[in-house]
Amino acid sequence: NAGVTQTPKFRILKIGQSMTLQCAQDMNHNYMYWYRQDPGMGLKLIYYSVGAGITDKGEVPNGYNVSRSTTEDFPLRLELAAPSQTSVYFCASSYVQGAVFGELFFGEGSRLTVL
Amino acid sequence: GDSVTQMEGPVTLSEEAFLTINCTYTATGYPSLFWYVQYPGEGLQLLLKATKADDKGSNKGFEATYRKETTSFHLEKGSVQVSDSAVYFCALINAGNMLTFGGGTRLMVKP
Repeated sequence: NAGVTQTPKFRILKIGQSMTLQCAQDMNHNYMYWYRQDPGMGLKLIYYSVGAGITDKGEVPNGYNVSRSTTEDFPLRLELAAPSQTSVYFCASSYVQGAVFGELFFGEGSRLTVL
Repeated sequence: GDSVTQMEGPVTLSEEAFLTINCTYTATGYPSLFWYVQYPGEGLQLLLKATKADDKGSNKGFEATYRKETTSFHLEKGSVQVSDSAVYFCALINAGNMLTFGGGTRLMVKP
């Protein structure tokens, strides 16, 4: 069982470069999420998706873009990397039906450093 | 909006000591409450949850009771082990289906 798979695990970027963090889940979950975790801090929601073709902003969306063309994949795009985007990024997924909130399953994280 | 407040860490305990990590929340309506654990170098894993007032979630010797009157969901364990060393996150889900996390509390257990 793969669960939620994120790639790459580590990446160093120069200021102004672009990159995409990949996230895939094989649990047929409808909801997917991207969080960032700064040192000593909790997780902040960047973007989320309630199903293929639908995305919405979270708490800290500036500087990021997402797409959800399939149920399985939810890539996160950084267009012009800035030092403030140095963080650990977590993708997660869950199954939500009506008022029933399923458990969130997290990937192992992607550590991004912008220099 | 919704918010979760946890006690700041790190919490350092000796093996077999009693653990309490405080968590309080602010939310409208009737949120579901969660504790997640993050071991070094890994993603978050669900530890336990409670979906309504007075529910008690439990797992791996950890317990937490949903107290609506005090808006709290404190995490407890009677006897911690070195392997419990991790960061613990309290979280809630409300009508918007989004998890709101506390800042996390690092637990260090010494042999």
